Amino acid sequence: SQQGEEDPQALSIQEGENATMNCSYKTSINNLQWYRQNSGRGLVHLILIRSNEREKHSGRLRVTLDTSKKSSSLLITASRAADTASYFCATDSTYSGAGSYQLTFGKGTKLSVIP
Amino acid sequence: GAGVSQSPSNKVTEKGKDVELRCDPISGHTALYWYRQRLGQGLEFLIYFQGNSAPDKSGLPSDRFSAERTGESVSTLTIQRTQQEDSAVYLCASSLEGRRGETQYFGPGTRLLVL
Repeated sequence: SQQGEEDPQALSIQEGENATMNCSYKTSINNLQWYRQNSGRGLVHLILIRSNEREKHSGRLRVTLDTSKKSSSLLITASRAADTASYFCATDSTYSGAGSYQLTFGKGTKLSVIP
Repeated sequence: GAGVSQSPSNKVTEKGKDVELRCDPISGHTALYWYRQRLGQGLEFLIYFQGNSAPDKSGLPSDRFSAERTGESVSTLTIQRTQQEDSAVYLCASSLEGRRGETQYFGPGTRLLVL
């Protein structure tokens, strides 16, 4: 079952504007990651935020985490046409024994940045 | 070094046929994951391999699905008696040790279409 739910499902902005995507999840987590996917193919890891962190930055990316609300947001500042992609949050809420570690993904936000 | 590679890139098959998908992880990565992504959806975890430990098969949707991995190298995902509902992109990922919080590196995926 899906753990994370991103919203909006789709977002269209002009180049140079900021894009904000949100993710909500259901169970307690150890960390939350954001991934990017171009054209329905492989995913690229963007940033990881741990459950004891509230905010993290990486270049034009800013991620926040509110564990009390079980939500996270990804902000892309000064967007570029090349940022057009789908963005997914993923959590590690499931942890079975023997070191197994699987990520549970949301359905993603499809971002379109118009030049 | 080379990233995760998958083959074939695309596969079209007839209902009832068996298919085999291949994943070459990043050299030195002990953990390997298979995910399925249906159109417009997030990723569903299928199976996880970690070194010589017993694989975590908890995500396999039916006994028509199986996967093998030889040591810490290539993995194959086999779908027997394919159904139209199996149509999806199958993504493979690897990580260094399979620990919580590790970045997973994804391959480009195999797009499977069952007619």
